[in-house]
Amino acid sequence: AQSVTQPDIHITVSEGASLELRCNYSYGATPYLFWYVQSPGQGLQLLLKYFSGDTLVQGIKGFEAEFKRSQSSFNLRKPSVHWSDAAEYFCAVAPPGVGTASKLTFGTGTRLQVTL
Amino acid sequence: EAGVAQSPRYKIIEKRQSVAFWCNPISGHATLYWYQQILGQGPKLLIQFQNNGVVDDSQLPKDRFSAERLKGVDSTLKIQPAKLEDSAVYLCASSLNRRREGANEKLFFGSGTQLSVL
Repeated sequence: AQSVTQPDIHITVSEGASLELRCNYSYGATPYLFWYVQSPGQGLQLLLKYFSGDTLVQGIKGFEAEFKRSQSSFNLRKPSVHWSDAAEYFCAVAPPGVGTASKLTFGTGTRLQVTL
Repeated sequence: EAGVAQSPRYKIIEKRQSVAFWCNPISGHATLYWYQQILGQGPKLLIQFQNNGVVDDSQLPKDRFSAERLKGVDSTLKIQPAKLEDSAVYLCASSLNRRREGANEKLFFGSGTQLSVL
């Protein structure tokens, strides 16, 4: 069975500082990997996804993530955080293949607080 | 373009009562999902519809939860009777067409209904 671990429940960074959110997964092969963001009172929004190929993927809002097979990790990064990035971030995995977006397994989330 | 609409925004009920949530997906979206998000956890899929047919309801507690999408457009999720552990945010999501989009399927989420069972 697939699983996702987000070790950090809560992270606080200063505006303008860099950010890295950790995500580790467990799956027999290389799964599809996703990062979603959930702002307060909002639904989830897809930031980026990895299926195959280049291990560094670019997403929206200046986010990027790097897939490291050897570490079973898919960490999310941003060079300079803005106050509007304060939200909850979810890493998710799905088995590779057609129509797998519905088979997402989400991590427990990391809440990001940004101080001015 | 209008997003996924959900109502009510909040609902407070007592245990053993019934409750229903409504979702109107983005116009033209064939695939609709209901997720349950318990505080401190990631969303968990409850049921998936393709048009008005159920594709996957393997994680739906069918003894108390039911969902329908009669005309292949909007959908309702019902809990009867509710338990304390049903307190959660219920998210609805839709996509254009799971079968046609394949791996590139993009989900659009509503802002959810927050249920508190006392």
